[in-house]
Amino acid sequence: AQSVTQLDSHVSVSEGTPVLLRCNYSSSYSPSLFWYVQHPNKGLQLLLKYTSAATLVKGINGFEAEFKKSETSFHLTKPSAHMSDAAEYFCVVSDRGFKTIFGAGTRLFVKA
Amino acid sequence: EAGVTQFPSHSVIEKGQTVTLRCDPISGHDNLYWYRRVMGKEIKFLLHFVKESKQDESGMPNNRFLAERTGGTYSTLKVQPAELEDSGVYFCASSLTRTGSTEAFFGQGTRLTVV
Repeated sequence: AQSVTQLDSHVSVSEGTPVLLRCNYSSSYSPSLFWYVQHPNKGLQLLLKYTSAATLVKGINGFEAEFKKSETSFHLTKPSAHMSDAAEYFCVVSDRGFKTIFGAGTRLFVKA
Repeated sequence: EAGVTQFPSHSVIEKGQTVTLRCDPISGHDNLYWYRRVMGKEIKFLLHFVKESKQDESGMPNNRFLAERTGGTYSTLKVQPAELEDSGVYFCASSLTRTGSTEAFFGQGTRLTVV
């Protein structure tokens, strides 16, 4: 069985400071992992994905995530937050059975 | 290229009424998925079409929900009769291949409110 846990429901950072959104997963198989972002009144947009290639994955808008199998983690980071990063972020796991499981979401607030 | 489009963006209906949500996937995407997010909860998988066939409908909550994808193009999700607990945001996604390793493109969602 697979599951995904986003460890923080809300994260608040100041503009220009680093962002860390935490995600732990559980999967019976080698999973594919994704981070999606949803801005208000918009659809979900893919930020980045891990599919068993490089463990450090770079995405759009300066985000990146590192797959750590030993820790079953796939945390999302960005060196410097921008006001436009304020949104809700979803960690998603999908295994070879193609079931897609969403985390509960982390709402990111960026203070000026 | 047009993305995944969902209609309507918002719908408010009374308990017991019928509502039909529509999803137009990206042209050429055989795979179409429906998801739902009830207020305060996770986004949950509802079902998966490959072309016009239902590949997996294990997430459909009950028989008040009926999804169709005639001709393998757009899909509809009908709720009949609607109940209060059906309120939430319904997302549709499409992909070229199954989402094991490829990106699914999402629509903006339909916010359904049952009063």
